[in-house]
Amino acid sequence: KAGVTQTPRYLIKTRGQQVTLSCSPISGHRSVSWYQQTPGQGLQFLFEYFSETQRNKGNFPGRFSGRQFSNSRSEMNVSTLELGDSALYLCASSLALGGSAQFFGPGTRLTVL
Amino acid sequence: GQQVMQIPQYQHVQEGEDFTTYCNSSTTLSNIQWYKQRPGGHPVFLIQLVKSGEVKKQKRLTFQFGEAKKNSSLHITATQTTDVGTYFCAGNSGNTPLVFGKGTRLSVIA
Repeated sequence: KAGVTQTPRYLIKTRGQQVTLSCSPISGHRSVSWYQQTPGQGLQFLFEYFSETQRNKGNFPGRFSGRQFSNSRSEMNVSTLELGDSALYLCASSLALGGSAQFFGPGTRLTVL
Repeated sequence: GQQVMQIPQYQHVQEGEDFTTYCNSSTTLSNIQWYKQRPGGHPVFLIQLVKSGEVKKQKRLTFQFGEAKKNSSLHITATQTTDVGTYFCAGNSGNTPLVFGKGTRLSVIA
């Protein structure tokens, strides 16, 4: 099976802009989670989707949003970018919600200037 | 909310030495998972433990889940340069999302 894919792999934006990141899960996986990884904070949970519904949400401002499509593919959007949003954004897919093993994509490296 | 603490933050070992990282949760966990992230890479799932007192082995790696299901450890015997990376534990309760520890970065000196 193909692994989790994420596009784009690298992105440079300026403050105030918005960005959309895309994730295609492993075939058959219906749950997609998004994480923000920074050197200081580690892996921070953003949100989790299952069957096109957001099931869990982390402690991030409303500028961070996401959605899942009927084919389980997912997108996340960050509006009004801030310098502190610079991070590696990781998508992970799993068979089910909650405590299932997470299979991560390569990530999107976002730099905000 | 649930917190997962991991120690040590960094560990430097000579090749051939053993290595252990510890994970502690503020709440009782349904399961604990371990991941490895190589430098420049993404986290890769290693194993999941669900039973109190469970011990699992993968070659030179030994994983333990505490009796109270609030702590876990990963032990690597006779480290090799291929073991370099950051090891994360992650746990959850019920259908809550996984909470990751901040990881232990392992350096192996040949």
